[in-house]
Amino acid sequence: SYELTQPLSVSVAQGQTARITCGGSYIQSKYVHWYQQKAGQAPVLVMYRDSKRPSGIPERFSGSNSGNTATLTISRAQGGDDGDEADYYCQVWDGNTGVFGGGTKLTVL
Amino acid sequence: QVQLQESGPGLVKPSQTLSLTCSVSGDSISSGTSYWNWIRQPAGGDLEWIGRIYHNGRPNYNPSLNSRVTISTDTSKNEFSLKLNSVTAADTAIYYCARADTSPFWYFTLWGRGTLVTVSS
Repeated sequence: SYELTQPLSVSVAQGQTARITCGGSYIQSKYVHWYQQKAGQAPVLVMYRDSKRPSGIPERFSGSNSGNTATLTISRAQGGDDGDEADYYCQVWDGNTGVFGGGTKLTVL
Repeated sequence: QVQLQESGPGLVKPSQTLSLTCSVSGDSISSGTSYWNWIRQPAGGDLEWIGRIYHNGRPNYNPSLNSRVTISTDTSKNEFSLKLNSVTAADTAIYYCARADTSPFWYFTLWGRGTLVTVSS
């Protein structure tokens, strides 16, 4: 079965750039989607098809996918209640099976 | 405004069957433009995809749960359901229903708020 590997945690100073990686075998051959989950809430789509932002997601969010690693980049990271602190999950399809990464907790210092 | 709402018992005894329903408003599960999914998350744990169903009623399941899972639709009520049999404490989780859009990418565009199911005697 296909596996996705994410770092357990990433820390970033407010205003700096956070990069969250998602590793998988030749992941560049798959479309990677990213979800943000804040405490006590359902996940929300923040990036789809590697690098496309849904409406309402700030331009500070960007994505890439190359080789064995996909990356979600958050520029000018924000703290606070409406900030970027959350768990982030990558997701792909392996045939007809949905696969999620283990999630990365982003802390904004 | 499209909304998904999970419903069902919050407590299930071990070895019994977990049954949940996802009611869809603002969209038709028969439209043929979306897959309808179940996803779960243990407390403090990671997301796990359980399975999905298309408008033609053909489901796909996570191989790790395949033998215990059934997902079905009720188009007259515009809802889809999950049944997971022979449950154990390991099935205790928040269960989400979600809509996946845009063939062939199928990203989850809309989620329900989730419902907690506890497996305990």
